[in-house]
Parts: sequence; C-alpha cells; structure tokens
Amino acid sequence: NAGVTQTPKFQVLKTGQSMTLQCAQDMNHNSMYWYRQDPGMGLRLIYYSASEGTTDKGEVPNGYNVSRLNKREFSLRLESAAPSQTSVYFCASSEAGGLSNQPQHFGDGTRLSIL
Amino acid sequence: GENVEQHPSTLSVQEGDSAVIKCTYSDSASNYFPWYKQELGKRPQLIIDIRSNVGEKKDQRIAVTLNKTAKHFSLHITETQPEDSAVYFCAASSNTGKLIFGQGTTLQVKP
Repeated sequence: NAGVTQTPKFQVLKTGQSMTLQCAQDMNHNSMYWYRQDPGMGLRLIYYSASEGTTDKGEVPNGYNVSRLNKREFSLRLESAAPSQTSVYFCASSEAGGLSNQPQHFGDGTRLSIL
Repeated sequence: GENVEQHPSTLSVQEGDSAVIKCTYSDSASNYFPWYKQELGKRPQLIIDIRSNVGEKKDQRIAVTLNKTAKHFSLHITETQPEDSAVYFCAASSNTGKLIFGQGTTLQVKP
C-alpha cells in the first residue's frame, strides 16, 4: 500500500517549457488536491477534485491546469512555466467526498525549478 | 475567504519543556482543524485533528484545544524531545473539504 505517489521527484525546466506532474493514490479516496509550498508561506491549494470527474480552483490556480483522469490519478500541468512557479508541489488525497472533511494524506512532493 | 494566522513563526525550547503553537481563523463556518508535522525534506504528516463539536483532544504528549467563540485553536506538546523538532502547520476547513494552512512554526527542541 504505497499511499500517494508523485512523479517526478525533481525537475528543472526552462521558462516557457511545459510539463505535467503526476499523482496517484491507492487508498480508494474520493478527493485529491494539489498544493504548492514556498518558504514562509505554508501550503497553498492550487486545485482540487472532490470526486472523479470534478475539479475546482483553489487559492492560487493561475498558470496551472488539472485533470482527474480516474479515481486514482490527478495530474497538474504547467503549460508555460515561469520562474515564479519554482516551488515544491505536493499532492494529497482524502476519503472526503462532497461536503465532509477527512484527513488528507500527502505524497513526497515534486521539487520543481524553473530557470 | 478563509484566512489562518499562525504564531510564533519560530519556537525554541529545552528538551522536556512544553511547546504551544497558536492559530486563529477567520471563517466562522470552519469546522475541521488538523495539525501537520513536516520534517526537513519530507511530506507533511497529520499528527492530530479536532472537529468543532469538541473543545479538546489528546493523543499521548500532544493535545489540541479549540475556542470557537474566539476562533482560535492551539497545539500543545508536553515533555518535548529532540525528535519533535520540525515545522508544524495548522489548517482550517469548512464543509468544502478545502484546507487553508497557516504559515508554519519551526520548532527546535534543544537537548
């Protein structure tokens, strides 16, 4: 039982390049989330998916797109990377569906640098 | 929208002492308050959470208190140990399932 798995673990991009961060969970959770973590700013929600087939914006969605491919997988795409998107990206999942709160379980993160 | 303020940003204590981290939230509809511990270079891990229908919850050396009227909640760690050194994050959520995190507290426990 791997929990939440993120790939890649590290990536360096040039400004303007695109890439997709992958996330998969094996806990049969309904909800999945993408956060970014910057020094001194805690974790900020980029996008989330309360259930398969739905996605919603979080606090900082600009410059990102997401796809909830199926119940297990939730990907984050940077179409045209900018230096301001240099960050550590965490994916999380929870049993919560609809209007309930349940603990979120995090992946190990993707460290992304954009030059 | 929801805003969560966390204090202090850094906290240094002697091994064996207690540590207290405080958070305030703005949205009175918030009803779920988890705390996460993050060691350097690792993922955030849930250490304790509390829901708005209780005022206090304990798990061994860790406790969380909630004051709904004042809209603040606190993490208490007793008998601190060097392995408690990490960054701690509070968070709050209403029934949307979205968590809003505080800015984090770096706890250093000196042997």
